[in-house]
Amino acid sequence: GQQVMQIPQYQHVQEGEDFTTYCNSSTTLSNIQWYKQRPGGHPVFLIQLVKSGEVKKQKRLTFQFGEAKKNSSLHITATQTTDVGTYFCAGNLLGDMRFGAGTRLTVKP
Amino acid sequence: DARVTQTPRHKVTEMGQEVTMRCQPILGHNTVFWYRQTMMQGLELLAYFRNRAPLDDSGMPKDRFSAEMPDATLATLKIQPSEPRDSAVYFCASGEGQMGTEAFFGQGTRLTVV
Repeated sequence: GQQVMQIPQYQHVQEGEDFTTYCNSSTTLSNIQWYKQRPGGHPVFLIQLVKSGEVKKQKRLTFQFGEAKKNSSLHITATQTTDVGTYFCAGNLLGDMRFGAGTRLTVKP
Repeated sequence: DARVTQTPRHKVTEMGQEVTMRCQPILGHNTVFWYRQTMMQGLELLAYFRNRAPLDDSGMPKDRFSAEMPDATLATLKIQPSEPRDSAVYFCASGEGQMGTEAFFGQGTRLTVV
């Protein structure tokens, strides 16, 4: 079945440093989504990528979808303490959505 | 403000008891997911429905778990009998469209089985 691998599992950065999390799927995806979950909260949708090679930006966040539609990355420039939480990718194959294990980001002020 | 509503928010039960978790998806959404989240396993897909029909429940232990959608406004996840290893946060999420769009998550049910 479809599997989505996400690395790293944890990332601790100093405020102002950059952060990247990577997501790889065992199968070609219909699209990929990214979610953020704050401690004690629920996953909240950030963005969806659909096209091969697509790049989208949201302020300090940059999302990429690989040419083969099997991998993706989320990059945060100059992290802030408000960025703490767990970032999940979710690979979507015809409506079957599978989440990666998530990357937990902590930011030291 | 449309949102997915889950009840109860917290549940503590004794091993062997039946547990029923409920979810009200966002009106108009035709896809409903059930996920289980633990520290060890992360977010696991238990089951999902489209237009109230179960499409995939392969992630669910069949001997004790069951998921249903009695109508378009209610999804249920039942565990009978419950075991301590079922302790987790159970999330319901809903979305629209066949190809998968944004999934809106409820706040989850935190289940503790003692």
